[in-house]
Amino acid sequence: EVQLVESGGGLVQPGGSLRLSCAASGFTFSSYAMTWVRQTPGKGLECVSGITGSGDRTYYADSVKGRFTISRDNSKNTLYLHINSLRAEDTAIYFCAKDREGIVPDYFDYWGQGTLVTVSS
Amino acid sequence: DIQMTQSPSTLSASVGDRVTIACRASQSLNSWLAWYQQKPGKAPKLLIYKMSILESGVPSRFSGSGSGTEFTLTISSLQPDDFATYYCQHFDTSSWAFGQGTKVEAK
Repeated sequence: EVQLVESGGGLVQPGGSLRLSCAASGFTFSSYAMTWVRQTPGKGLECVSGITGSGDRTYYADSVKGRFTISRDNSKNTLYLHINSLRAEDTAIYFCAKDREGIVPDYFDYWGQGTLVTVSS
Repeated sequence: DIQMTQSPSTLSASVGDRVTIACRASQSLNSWLAWYQQKPGKAPKLLIYKMSILESGVPSRFSGSGSGTEFTLTISSLQPDDFATYYCQHFDTSSWAFGQGTKVEAK
């Protein structure tokens, strides 16, 4: 059974940093692209970053370029999202999602339960 | 970047109704379009990918169609479990776009 479990969310002050993790199981992690998707009541769903299975290519939404860094450790079956210079508008539930077909992060067939990031002073 | 616009934002329907949700792209797409269903407090669930391919385990009352800039999700006979919010989503080489969502509520 495919499982994705996010962790690392919490309350952070503006300008702060955070590292989100997504522990994967039930599939060959290194064979699949992965993506971080966030959701806010105001802006809906937004893909913020994706990475290929090998980690050789990364993708970022314009809204997070230069502040977010996606990475993965295939030996630990874990996906990461490093977030710097946090802003109030980064407040959201962050989901990790598995790509359906593997190569590029285009469609997502399994999602984690999400981890809440709140940016506030 | 491509923008995705869904209509309507909210749809009131009854069990057994045929429901159609539209998704319009700001420019012509290839077939890289997906539809998701989301219920409150849950992660989105993939329903359809590559515009019209039904994800495994998804009931056949769901279907997707379209071309160019106009795409449609159809529920042929609405069931009680289908009251939810639906999103279209596109990926294009290096960027993604979701529609703003269509909430299907009970009439």
